[in-house]
Amino acid sequence: EPEVTQTPSHQVTQMGQEVILRCVPISNHLYFYWYRQILGQKVEFLVSFYNNEISEKSEIFDDQFSVERPDGSNFTLKIRSTKLEDSAMYFCASRGANYGYTFGSGTRLTVV
Amino acid sequence: GQNIDQPTEMTATEGAIVQINCTYQTSGFNGLFWYQQHAGEAPTFLSYNVLDGLEEKGRFSSFLSRSKGYSYLLLKELQMKDSASYLCAVRDNEPGGYQKVTFGIGTKLQVIP
Repeated sequence: EPEVTQTPSHQVTQMGQEVILRCVPISNHLYFYWYRQILGQKVEFLVSFYNNEISEKSEIFDDQFSVERPDGSNFTLKIRSTKLEDSAMYFCASRGANYGYTFGSGTRLTVV
Repeated sequence: GQNIDQPTEMTATEGAIVQINCTYQTSGFNGLFWYQQHAGEAPTFLSYNVLDGLEEKGRFSSFLSRSKGYSYLLLKELQMKDSASYLCAVRDNEPGGYQKVTFGIGTKLQVIP
């Protein structure tokens, strides 16, 4: 069964450093998403991406965040200068023409 | 904006039936999802409702009433492995033709022997 792949599974970074979280969506999917989940809290929408541009972003997704689809397969989330409160599980998701979202297994980001 | 409410915790007995409720308030409603999430793992898709009524899939069923802004997830013949968080999520139509899925806090279900 097709799956969304995320790397790394766990990233530890120092406050103020840049991180790039990587995702490989399902190959024939057209819509891509990043969500995050702070430990013990709900899954929060960050950004959606379609046709090589951001279609929507939440208030969480400020100027420190950016997304990119550098080639035909990867979808990345960059945090320019990490803060302690950015520590969370980051999930990438994709969907095709139907309704179903498929989530990746997540990247646990720990900012120290 | 959206407001999605579901109980934070529930406990049920192995072999029993449990119903997890979700109420929502949103504009541009375009479907409701239920996801299962085990601790430390990604959400996995369980069900999708866009029309009123009951959708049955094995031991799991999901119900939707759009006029009441209400859904429930019904789990039958509970197994220990069903202990997880169950996330209610609502899809909205946004301006520009885009869609966004927003999650509730999740209901942590504990199945006990």
